[in-house]
Amino acid sequence: DGGITQSPKYLFRKEGQNVTLSCEQNLNHDAMYWYRQDPGQGLRLIYYSQIVNDFQKGDIAEGYSVSREKKESFPLTVTSAQKNPTAFYLCASSTRQLTAGNTIYFGEGSWLTVV
Amino acid sequence: DQQVKQNSPSLSVQEGRISILNCDYTNSMFDYFLWYKKYPAEGPTFLISISSIKDKNEDGRFTVFLNKSAKHLSLHIVPSQPGDSAVYFCAASYGAGSYQLTFGKGTKLSVIP
Repeated sequence: DGGITQSPKYLFRKEGQNVTLSCEQNLNHDAMYWYRQDPGQGLRLIYYSQIVNDFQKGDIAEGYSVSREKKESFPLTVTSAQKNPTAFYLCASSTRQLTAGNTIYFGEGSWLTVV
Repeated sequence: DQQVKQNSPSLSVQEGRISILNCDYTNSMFDYFLWYKKYPAEGPTFLISISSIKDKNEDGRFTVFLNKSAKHLSLHIVPSQPGDSAVYFCAASYGAGSYQLTFGKGTKLSVIP
């Protein structure tokens, strides 16, 4: 089935450790995104990538890093510099720019808890 | 500065009645608007969208209305069903070539059987 796969679904991290969240899509989409959701809040954009080997910071990129070595993959690393990393992380993809008739599709999300 | 606002955190509606979810925006450059539905611990799923050149878009039980002068859009669900109970997010995009969506904080809809 075509879709976006995020792993792991649940992840616990000790303070001071880096952790990488995986995101893979087989939709042949050019663009990929990482969003973060906190309780009672909307989704906030961390990073996005329009094309392989290129990515741009979103609204809350501090403490995060990404890579886009393959079209299908867009992993997100939550570094120890991220002050409040406990959140629900969502990966998404789209065929191209967000103009009329286009949308972004989301994965199932990954819960990260810092203990 | 919140550019997309959903001022009602929650809404309860009887099954079979109409649900109306509201969204206001402040950035006049937004030209494409989307609604997403989200269940707990799952990713949002796309529901319906509307371009700024239209004032209404319909898809089955879901209709989105756009009032550009008021910078307001609304999602109507008729008739409401218990399976519609979820959090609904309004999102907006602007400018040709934009890759960014700005989301509201969401409205939790509860449809009571």
